[in-house]
Amino acid sequence: GENVEQHPSTLSVQEGDSAVIKCTYSDSASNYFPWYKQELGKRPQLIIDIRSNVGEKKDQRIAVTLNKTAKHFSLHITETQPEDSAVYFCAASIRSGYSTLTFGKGTMLLVSP
Amino acid sequence: EPEVTQTPSHQVTQMGQEVILRCVPISNHLYFYWYRQILGQKVEFLVSFYNNEISEKSEIFDDQFSVERPDGSNFTLKIRSTKLEDSAMYFCASSDPPRAIYEQYFGPGTRLTVT
Repeated sequence: GENVEQHPSTLSVQEGDSAVIKCTYSDSASNYFPWYKQELGKRPQLIIDIRSNVGEKKDQRIAVTLNKTAKHFSLHITETQPEDSAVYFCAASIRSGYSTLTFGKGTMLLVSP
Repeated sequence: EPEVTQTPSHQVTQMGQEVILRCVPISNHLYFYWYRQILGQKVEFLVSFYNNEISEKSEIFDDQFSVERPDGSNFTLKIRSTKLEDSAMYFCASSDPPRAIYEQYFGPGTRLTVT
């Protein structure tokens, strides 16, 4: 089955810096890659996703890139703010009617003012 | 904005007891999922459900687990005889083909504590 590796496990940045979180996946059939943000004690919230026919997607301060050949994808957050502090999970799934998500282990992002 | 809801928010039970976790998916969604997250670990897939039957299940979802959609709104996860290692946060999720076939929206979770 699919295996998703995520790095780093923790990331500390100063407010205003950029943050990059990287994931690799094993199943070349995977072609949907969402990113979830989970604040302490709360539900995972979808923040951005990318499908395999696209190499990059941007939404304001957040961008995701995908390299299908290398089987890795990354989350980029620019101009980080303290409210960006949370655990971020990447996931991968195979396109189908029911897209079972395989998650990475998560990255705790700490943004210091 | 519609959200997935789950009850209870926290359930404490003794080992060997049965528990039922309840979810109300977003009303026009057709696919439903259960995931679990052991404290400090990643979210793990348990089961997906479509058209009143299980679509896919993980190896975690053994004979102790079952799911049901008893009516048009609820989606339940039953654990027949809980074990200590079942202690985790259980998330329900739903998705809505064909408009957003891949996007899954998560509920707030039920924290299950087995003592």
